Amino acid sequence: DAGITQSPRYKITETGRQVTLMCHQTWSHSYMFWYRQDLGHGLRLIYYSAAADITDKGEVPDGYVVSRSKTENFPLTLESATRSQTSVYFCASSDEVDEQFFGPGTRLTVL
Amino acid sequence: AQSVTQLDSHVSVSEGTPVLLRCNYSSSYSPSLFWYVQHPNKGLQLLLKYTSAATLVKGINGFEAEFKKSETSFHLTKPSAHMSDAAEYFCVVSDLGNAGKSTFGDGTTLTVKP
Repeated sequence: DAGITQSPRYKITETGRQVTLMCHQTWSHSYMFWYRQDLGHGLRLIYYSAAADITDKGEVPDGYVVSRSKTENFPLTLESATRSQTSVYFCASSDEVDEQFFGPGTRLTVL
Repeated sequence: AQSVTQLDSHVSVSEGTPVLLRCNYSSSYSPSLFWYVQHPNKGLQLLLKYTSAATLVKGINGFEAEFKKSETSFHLTKPSAHMSDAAEYFCVVSDLGNAGKSTFGDGTTLTVKP
């Protein structure tokens, strides 16, 4: 199916565990983004990627790792999850300075 | 540098009355501006975008926005609110100086009363 998908949609984990959130897009967009959404903070950029093998930090990158070996995939890894990383995570893709297409989100709870 | 300020965190209107959601922006370049809508427990959907063409932009579901460079504003309006418009709305600015990154406002929650 065309579009942008995220998996899992819901995840519960424990403090200290490693968690990977997956993001896949079928448009061959050059840019991909990871945001977290928390009450009172809107969407905050974690990491972004301008192309395969090119990634850069956003506003809140600490505790997260990304990779982009293929244009269509942009996984986000929490190396050692903390309670403060409980949030809703959105992946998005776009071409240059243009509309971003958002995935449905992953709701992550860290106990 | 780019930034965006949504002037109201909450707006409440009655069904059938006009909607005004205010957004001011700052950009060092000629910006692209967007409004997104997010319904509860959903992802974000584009309502409309301005990319240096016509200053009055029409979007989906009867929404429109006017780019006013002199006022650095991009306010979102709709002549008549519908119950289904109740959602969170985000104003977003992007410019070429930020390598494709966008800056999101903190959002405005629109409540529509019957």
